[in-house]
Amino acid sequence: GAGVSQTPSNKVTEKGKYVELRCDPISGHTALYWYRQSLGQGPEFLIYFQGTGAADDSGLPNDRFFAVRPEGSVSTLKIQRTERGDSAVYLCASSLQGGGMETQYFGPGTRLLVL
Amino acid sequence: SQQGEEDPQALSIQEGENATMNCSYKTSINNLQWYRQNSGRGLVHLILIRSNEREKHSGRLRVTLDTSKKSSSLLITASRAADTASYFCATDWWGAQKLVFGQGTRLTINP
Repeated sequence: GAGVSQTPSNKVTEKGKYVELRCDPISGHTALYWYRQSLGQGPEFLIYFQGTGAADDSGLPNDRFFAVRPEGSVSTLKIQRTERGDSAVYLCASSLQGGGMETQYFGPGTRLLVL
Repeated sequence: SQQGEEDPQALSIQEGENATMNCSYKTSINNLQWYRQNSGRGLVHLILIRSNEREKHSGRLRVTLDTSKKSSSLLITASRAADTASYFCATDWWGAQKLVFGQGTRLTINP
């Protein structure tokens, strides 16, 4: 079946602009996660959705970052007033129910470059 | 902050040799997982080991977990050029759904 998909694959924007990154999880997966990966580092957790609600947003770096999942499927990560330090690969993952013993399946990521 | 630390940061071996990567973590965990990443993009899940398990096998992969030392190792036997990638360990703990990743080991298999 189809895996996790993310669009766009690459996004180049200018400092101060607004961007939206989209994630389509595996069909039927109720849990969805966003991570951010800087060059040479491991992914770092941003936010976790269980259904439509954000169950843990402790990883969002500041209030310029926001994510939604209005129908419990597709999720959008929104970044306002982008800064050069936001440049990274943004990874989305989903899992079946969100239990701690589940495998998280990752999408290919969106590479964001802020000029 | 990152919980895990992989060792070594980079490893280069000849095709056919075995590759061993280590991961250490700081707090008590529920599970530990290993992922592979090619070219800095999507991560592929390799294996999950629970905190009450000590060893797990999957094909050419062997993972061990020592909770007393807060460490895990990933062994890839009979390496192939296609195994060239970055390998990450990730941990989770009771009550938390997020994964905490280490910095990864860059593995290069030379033909």
